[in-house]
Amino acid sequence: LAKTTQPISMDSYEGQEVNITCSHNNIATNDYITWYQQFPSQGPRFIIQGYKTKVTNEVASLFIPADRKSSTLSLPRVSLSDTAVYYCLVGDKTGGFKTIFGAGTRLFVKA
Amino acid sequence: DVKVTQSSRYLVKRTGEKVFLECVQDMDHENMFWYRQDPGLGLRLIYFSYDVKMKEKGDIPEGYSVSREKKERFSLILESASTNQTSMYLCASSPDRVGEAFFGQGTRLTVV
Repeated sequence: LAKTTQPISMDSYEGQEVNITCSHNNIATNDYITWYQQFPSQGPRFIIQGYKTKVTNEVASLFIPADRKSSTLSLPRVSLSDTAVYYCLVGDKTGGFKTIFGAGTRLFVKA
Repeated sequence: DVKVTQSSRYLVKRTGEKVFLECVQDMDHENMFWYRQDPGLGLRLIYFSYDVKMKEKGDIPEGYSVSREKKERFSLILESASTNQTSMYLCASSPDRVGEAFFGQGTRLTVV
């Protein structure tokens, strides 16, 4: 199972774009990259998933370079309510699934 | 909306007690998971199940067991609770083995 490494914490200001990078050097061919968001006293919430290149949805974009050894979650124009912990995971959609959450990145958005 | 419901939000138990944490999902998902979350350690997978009566160990199964007799329900059992099992326990379900998992609100268990 590919291990992921993320920054422990990041600070930003309202209205800025925030990019959180995750490294997963030993990602396997069949692995997908998934990001979750977690607010205090709540369970994590799915944000976005991708396999390669770029994926965009209504809340975020996910950039994955050709070698797939890292990925970047991009949050456009953050607000105070984006203050949360963000987790990057890699895993295989076929057999032998395990979802391993690391310590995540704690994003603090300031006014 | 998918709903994953955990039976208790807060629970206080005594050392040595047998503890049952219940989780029910309403979306007919194949896969269900139990995690514990501790400060600085993120979420760690205890057990998961990809079908009724099927279970697989996660990273930290010691001291825990699980039961999945019906598709919608996945129970976590602490055979003999210990103080080092004081934690937030999170249940999740998912239609895929990797992808969008839906989490419950968590059960904060304190073992005294």
